[in-house]
Amino acid sequence: DAGVIQSPRHEVTEMGQEVTLRCKPISGHDYLFWYRQTMMRGLELLIYFNNNVPIDDSGMPEDRFSAKMPNASFSTLKIQPSEPRDSAVYFCASSYLYSGNTIYFGEGSWLTVV
Amino acid sequence: SQQGEEDPQALSIQEGENATMNCSYKTSINNLQWYRQNSGRGLVHLILIRSNEREKHSGRLRVTLDTSKKSSSLLITASRAADTASYFCATDANDYKLSFGAGTTVTVRA
Repeated sequence: DAGVIQSPRHEVTEMGQEVTLRCKPISGHDYLFWYRQTMMRGLELLIYFNNNVPIDDSGMPEDRFSAKMPNASFSTLKIQPSEPRDSAVYFCASSYLYSGNTIYFGEGSWLTVV
Repeated sequence: SQQGEEDPQALSIQEGENATMNCSYKTSINNLQWYRQNSGRGLVHLILIRSNEREKHSGRLRVTLDTSKKSSSLLITASRAADTASYFCATDANDYKLSFGAGTTVTVRA
């Protein structure tokens, strides 16, 4: 299996610009998670989907962040407008209900907002 | 918010030695998992222990769970340079949300 695929791997953007991060989960997985990792706050769960439906978005920091999952094989996390404090590594992860809640991470999207 | 907290924050050992790290958590859990993150990479699942289990082994990994103390330990035996990474514990309550600790950074010296 190809694993969870994220793009872009690295992005440098200017403050105020829109950022779109993309994720392709492992085929057959019914849960998809977006995490953010920073030195200060560690790994934070932003939002997760079950069968393409957002279940819990309580971790989304503010209205500038939005996430969609239009189908079982694709999800986006959008930041508009971006701010320097959004600089972080954003991970997408997926899992299968009967995998014992083990989740499989992508390699991350490293975002720098200048 | 982080449910699990790892201890120590950092650990440096000689190749061949054992590495032990601990995780404490606050609320009741269904299971506890350990993940490894190599520098610049995503997290990789290592092992899962259920709340009704006390010990589990996988290769050179040994995990213990003490639900009365709300703590777990991860032991890596006969460490290798390739074990250099950050290790995270993750817990879930009754939903599908995993909460990760801050991690223990392990450096294995050749």
